[in-house]
Amino acid sequence: GENVEQHPSTLSVQEGDSAVIKCTYSDSASNYFPWYKQELGKRPQLIIDIRSNVGEKKDQRIAVTLNKTAKHFSLHITETQPEDSAVYFCAASIEDSSYKLIFGSGTRLLVRP
Amino acid sequence: SAVISQKPSRDICQRGTSLTIQCQVDSQVTMMFWYRQQPGQSLTLIATANQGSEATYESGFVIDKFPISRPNLTFSTLTVSNMSPEDSSIYLCSVEESGTTYNEQFFGPGTRLTVL
Repeated sequence: GENVEQHPSTLSVQEGDSAVIKCTYSDSASNYFPWYKQELGKRPQLIIDIRSNVGEKKDQRIAVTLNKTAKHFSLHITETQPEDSAVYFCAASIEDSSYKLIFGSGTRLLVRP
Repeated sequence: SAVISQKPSRDICQRGTSLTIQCQVDSQVTMMFWYRQQPGQSLTLIATANQGSEATYESGFVIDKFPISRPNLTFSTLTVSNMSPEDSSIYLCSVEESGTTYNEQFFGPGTRLTVL
């Protein structure tokens, strides 16, 4: 079955700097890769996703890149702000099949003011 | 996106008892999922619950321990049976929303379960 690895487990950056979180997946059939942000005590919130037919997607300060050949995808946050502090989870799934999400282990991001 | 609610939001239970968690959606959805999030950990899929069929369980989860109902397209329940302290977790339901060009998954607020 699918296995998703996520790095780093913790990331501390200065406000205004960029943050990058990386994930790898094992199942070449996976074609949908969402990213979720989970603040303390809250539910995971979908912040951006990418499908295997594109290599990059941007939404304001966040972007996701996908390398299908290497089975890598990454989350990039630019101009980080203290409110970006949270745990971020990557996930992978096969659309048009089971749709079930297999999650990475999570990255705790701390943005220092 | 759909509005998803869960009941109860939290509970403290004694070992050996069972708890049923409800998940309600304000629109009809085909696919619903149940996840477990142990303290400080990631999300692990327990099962996929589709209306009109038996739930599909992931490796390590069995129907006797986590029976699931899906009576209609807006509601599902997950029961945690014969609980032990190891069952202390947050249990989340999620729904798959299908658009004309996308499928996205959204989570309920979760049920925080503590087993003594």
